[in-house]
Amino acid sequence: DTGVSQNPRHKITKRGQNVTFRCDPISEHNRLYWYRQTLGQGPEFLTYFQNEAQLEKSRLLSDRFSAERPKGSFSTLEIQRTEQGDSAMYLCASSATTGLHSPLHFGNGTRLTVT
Amino acid sequence: AQKITQTQPGMFVQEKEAVTLDCTYDTSDQSYGLFWYKQPSSGEMIFLIYQGSYDEQNATEGRYSLNFQKARKSANLVISASQLGDSAMYFCAMREGETSYDKVIFGPGTSLSVIP
Repeated sequence: DTGVSQNPRHKITKRGQNVTFRCDPISEHNRLYWYRQTLGQGPEFLTYFQNEAQLEKSRLLSDRFSAERPKGSFSTLEIQRTEQGDSAMYLCASSATTGLHSPLHFGNGTRLTVT
Repeated sequence: AQKITQTQPGMFVQEKEAVTLDCTYDTSDQSYGLFWYKQPSSGEMIFLIYQGSYDEQNATEGRYSLNFQKARKSANLVISASQLGDSAMYFCAMREGETSYDKVIFGPGTSLSVIP
């Protein structure tokens, strides 16, 4: 169990640029979640995959955000035309296949700064 | 509507004392799970304890226990014998098993400071 891995750890970009983050879940986990967290707040749900299927996307998420999970393994989160309000920590988590009781295992996050 | 409410933005507790962190939730599902996570200043999210909606007994994990009151829709975290290392943000989270494809949502958190 190598844990959930996220890359890069930090990303600084200029407003208007596109950015892409990668998440590698724990290998036997088929559920994968993306969250956004700003300082002093709880993680805000963005989207969720079960295998390669994206089951839900937050209604708060603009069309500039897109996520994929090809082949049900790693996942990418892309933000197009970044805005300063996108600056936050982006957290990825994975969870075992079945059961309400399976906890989320989080990566260390990608901190995005939009200048 | 906010599904998870944590009404205590900040809490202080004396070292070695017990502290209760409040969490109330809103769901129409009969089947759901409740989680507590700890996030120290280093940023990692650490799973602490789980309570299922059908569990008859309150969950316990070492110094952590859950005061689960299903009718009141509350799942308060009790930390016994507080230690300096318990200073962190604490988040309550819920997974609904019927209406939302196992999505997990988090509350706004409570900042706990342990005083020597």
